[in-house]
Amino acid sequence: GAGVSQSPSNKVTEKGKDVELRCDPISGHTALYWYRQSLGQGLEFLIYFQGNSAPDKSGLPSDRFSAERTGGSVSTLTIQRTQQEDSAVYLCASSLWRVNTEAFFGQGTRLTVV
Amino acid sequence: QKEVEQNSGPLSVPEGAIASLNCTYSDRGSQSFFWYRQYSGKSPELIMFIYSNGDKEDGRFTAQLNKASQYVSLLIRDSQPSDSATYLCAVKRSGNTGKLIFGQGTTLQVKP
Repeated sequence: GAGVSQSPSNKVTEKGKDVELRCDPISGHTALYWYRQSLGQGLEFLIYFQGNSAPDKSGLPSDRFSAERTGGSVSTLTIQRTQQEDSAVYLCASSLWRVNTEAFFGQGTRLTVV
Repeated sequence: QKEVEQNSGPLSVPEGAIASLNCTYSDRGSQSFFWYRQYSGKSPELIMFIYSNGDKEDGRFTAQLNKASQYVSLLIRDSQPSDSATYLCAVKRSGNTGKLIFGQGTTLQVKP
């Protein structure tokens, strides 16, 4: 596709359920990022994938959060046993591998845990 | 200490004035610096990036970088009401450690 695609756009889930959020990056982009943005807050870094290197998971807030990237393309962020504090917009971005290139964002997934 | 720090604002300027947005970062290994604009309910979009000390101009926008002081700024000349948004500063290291870290953003209000 022409841009970064995220699905679903909105997700309402019950507390305790697991959710999967999907990100399809721009073709050819080797770098992929996940961020979380709570209402009125900045972007909280979650995880970073770069090519075949081990991902930087330093931002994942707890072991309930995990992410994978299959075949260097599509990524899935999984949140297990969701809590109300997980409610936020989850943003995915991708970029080329070069350091001086911009990251392009998807439209985000708004997650609401009830 | 946060890796990237911005004053959350709001910063309020009259239409036509210069808006000055500031950002400091803690990691001296940082190589590239980005300014994103985010309208309410929308995803961030890039305004400009800078990686060399000094000024970089693009239309009404000027980014300024001082690596010695670990400081980057964005000037918006002739501010317009349509510039009202949250401005996010982002910093990236080089190589495989090059995760992109954002500040909390500064809300800019341009009043007609």
